[in-house]
Amino acid sequence: AQSVTQLDSHVSVSEGTPVLLRCNYSSSYSPSLFWYVQHPNKGLQLLLKYTSAATLVKGINGFEAEFKKSETSFHLTKPSAHMSDAAEYFCVVSDRRIILTGGGNKLTFGTGTQLKVEL
Amino acid sequence: DGGITQSPKYLFRKEGQNVTLSCEQNLNHDAMYWYRQDPGQGLRLIYYSQIVNDFQKGDIAEGYSVSREKKESFPLTVTSAQKNPTAFYLCASSIPQGEGSGNTIYFGEGSWLTVV
Repeated sequence: AQSVTQLDSHVSVSEGTPVLLRCNYSSSYSPSLFWYVQHPNKGLQLLLKYTSAATLVKGINGFEAEFKKSETSFHLTKPSAHMSDAAEYFCVVSDRRIILTGGGNKLTFGTGTQLKVEL
Repeated sequence: DGGITQSPKYLFRKEGQNVTLSCEQNLNHDAMYWYRQDPGQGLRLIYYSQIVNDFQKGDIAEGYSVSREKKESFPLTVTSAQKNPTAFYLCASSIPQGEGSGNTIYFGEGSWLTVV
């Protein structure tokens, strides 16, 4: 079974300060991990993904995440927040064994972290 | 531009009615998905289809139905059996499993369904 926990439902930062959104996962096999961003009343946009290559993954808009197997974490960071970063962020895990055994591309979503950026 | 188009953006349903949400993609993806999103919760999988003329139930399929007659289209019908249908519905697609995409799923803009 796979699961994902986003440790903070709300995060508030000041513009220009670092962003840290925390995510822990559980997967019985080698996982793929994703971060998606959702602006109000919009679909989800892929920020970045980890699929067993480099453990430090760089994404769009200056975001990056580091896969730490020993800590089962995949935290999302950005050095300097911008007002346009205010949105909801979802950490997602996909167990590739499920995919390989015909279970389809089954993703498990975290419950989301709402990021607020203040002036 | 390639993408996923959902329509309508906003839909109102009366009690006892069936309604259908449209999802069309021109990404040439074989796999398509429907998710439901409720406030403060993550996305939950309703149905998915890995290939034309085939689909599988997800985690919350009761009260919903789908069809996959064409590669580009994966409509979702919310039936009167779905007792709490008010939610944001997201359609998505991906290339087939096993190919080199890292199984990235791409999402449409979503449809709001409200029961009145």
